Amino acid sequence: GQQVMQIPQYQHVQEGEDFTTYCNSSTTLSNIQWYKQRPGGHPVFLIQLVKSGEVKKQKRLTFQFGEAKKNSSLHITATQTTDVGTYFCARNQGGKLIFGQGTELSVKP
Amino acid sequence: GAVVSQHPSRVICKSGTSVKIECRSLDFQATTMFWYRQFPKQSLMLMATSNEGSKATYEQGVEKDKFLINHASLTLSTLTVTSAHPEDSSFYICSALPPGQGGYNEQFFGPGTRLTVL
Repeated sequence: GQQVMQIPQYQHVQEGEDFTTYCNSSTTLSNIQWYKQRPGGHPVFLIQLVKSGEVKKQKRLTFQFGEAKKNSSLHITATQTTDVGTYFCARNQGGKLIFGQGTELSVKP
Repeated sequence: GAVVSQHPSRVICKSGTSVKIECRSLDFQATTMFWYRQFPKQSLMLMATSNEGSKATYEQGVEKDKFLINHASLTLSTLTVTSAHPEDSSFYICSALPPGQGGYNEQFFGPGTRLTVL
């Protein structure tokens, strides 16, 4: 399957600063899912985006799906130390998840 | 949310031995489960799709004779790493897919098994 490119690989922020991670695909995505993995833990589902231009919010997290359905982003407003972890996007191919490389977020208190 | 368990959580074995990892969906039936491998500081790589009552489907580059998958019931899939070598040391994670919607559901991941081969 086609890879999903995710940037940046690492992001270090001061608590209270915003954070954004981006995913890009060379082909149109039918959907994209986002997961969070805490250090030493397993991925936890955050959200799935399906519609072109879709924007969904979960408290301080905002997820976007591009108009062309080739890119997606996750934005966290005013990061907290509890946001620490690696955020992955993943394209879902009939249940098979093809993960992006992930963005590791560290938050300095 | 639904719960998926994995056992053991951590295993250390000698080179050449086989290790079996269990993945169970505790409160739902999963006709399909997936096995992933994650090396340190890397992403999750899909190894295989485990289907209840049929043979597993392996991703390109994954040796089916080395990574034996059995999905004998709707709540249990097992991954056996045969003749393990140090390069097989990794974090193995399973996920279970609730039925319906053609696979485009939220997946539930197990807590993972950290395998260290000496």
